[in-house]
Amino acid sequence: ETGVTQTPRHLVMGMTNKKSLKCEQHLGHNAMYWYKQSAKKPLELMFVYNFKEQTENNSVPSRFSPECPNSSHLFLHLHTLQPEDSALYLCATSRGLDAGELFFGEGSRLTVL
Amino acid sequence: GEDVEQSLFLSVREGDSSVINCTYTDSSSTYLYWYKQEPGAGLQLLTYIFSNMDMKQDQRLTVLLNKKDKHLSLRIADTQTGDSAIYFCAETANQAGTALIFGKGTTLSVSS
Repeated sequence: ETGVTQTPRHLVMGMTNKKSLKCEQHLGHNAMYWYKQSAKKPLELMFVYNFKEQTENNSVPSRFSPECPNSSHLFLHLHTLQPEDSALYLCATSRGLDAGELFFGEGSRLTVL
Repeated sequence: GEDVEQSLFLSVREGDSSVINCTYTDSSSTYLYWYKQEPGAGLQLLTYIFSNMDMKQDQRLTVLLNKKDKHLSLRIADTQTGDSAIYFCAETANQAGTALIFGKGTTLSVSS
């Protein structure tokens, strides 16, 4: 138990669906991240939030839309995805942006048909 | 830009030593990290080394850092089947935000 909970653990969606991934943390951390993990590729940083403000958008397509309503919750809204977006989406948190230790959730396995 | 390179697979027998290698590009990284991902789980910090150190030992783990060659290695002594996992090398990015830059991960397979 890392203190970072992601739901759902598995999601299958069609290309025209709209769905959301949720991340909740109980660590009191200030920074939250979305990473994409695809087979045989480096872990890709997607978005960074610090004190609920987005500080980094790593050239992510607009069909991925993050939301951080408070310091405990982070969402990733998904709309009109492509099959190549199928991957494991990992949420992570850290005490601050200069803290090197990230605490990861178990991930949401997304399959786009 | 930053880049972290690792070999994709390593297979060892139980009881042997495992050595996982990594090369990185950003010489200004203050810390370098090893994360472990067990099946069905997220990543967990395994160990880290400060950039002014050459070596760090923590029980069965030894981290070696060669700053000149930008080479980082993780040695696991007496490898056990429970060590089977994906191991990620990571460095701090040099731009504002200091988010970690990860490699592709090395899948360690331990056979008994």
